[in-house]
Amino acid sequence: GAVVSQHPSRVICKSGTSVKIECRSLDFQATTMFWYRQFPKKSLMLMATSNEGSKATYEQGVEKDKFLINHASLTLSTLTVTSAHPEDSSFYICSVKPPPNEKLFFGSGTQLSVL
Amino acid sequence: EDKVVQSPLSLVVHEGDTVTLNCSYEVTNFRSLLWYKQEKKAPTFLFMLTSSGIEKKSGRLSSILDKKELFSILNITATQTGDSAVYLCAVPTGANSKLTFGKGITLSVRP
Repeated sequence: GAVVSQHPSRVICKSGTSVKIECRSLDFQATTMFWYRQFPKKSLMLMATSNEGSKATYEQGVEKDKFLINHASLTLSTLTVTSAHPEDSSFYICSVKPPPNEKLFFGSGTQLSVL
Repeated sequence: EDKVVQSPLSLVVHEGDTVTLNCSYEVTNFRSLLWYKQEKKAPTFLFMLTSSGIEKKSGRLSSILDKKELFSILNITATQTGDSAVYLCAVPTGANSKLTFGKGITLSVRP
């Protein structure tokens, strides 16, 4: 399977600040990475698909200006939560899908708490 | 709209019991169904099923897919407290094969 490193694992910030979350694919070159969000006792919801060298594809209802995604290299994608508010508090998790099949491998996730 | 529905949503059993977790789906262009186990952090991959009627097995866990009736089950025999987790079922959907997840089944195994 693929090894995915996500950092930080936990962040607490004040309302109005921006938070950057990094996702690294350690053992294969990921042209695509997926960012999910999970609320307590809820399932994983896809936020966006991060594409290396081009714009991310956002799911319906996800604000692209609020959740900035950058995928500048084949091993790194970042998600920046801009001007975070308490309602953005959630578990954010990235994933990669190495060929040839459709298995996703996940990073360890980031628990964001906005005060 | 593509849908993945899991049941029951939560389950409490005692060690040694056998449990069956259900996942039904409605998707266009079905290709595969995946099961994950999520404890505190990242989901870990359990099984990927593509063909009907072929059981996949890993230790005390097994899973099977029925493409005619559009569902899959995950069985856990001789449950242990370490099996306590959320079990997620997911199906690739859409042009980029993004995974659509069910809501998950919270399994609690009591000593």
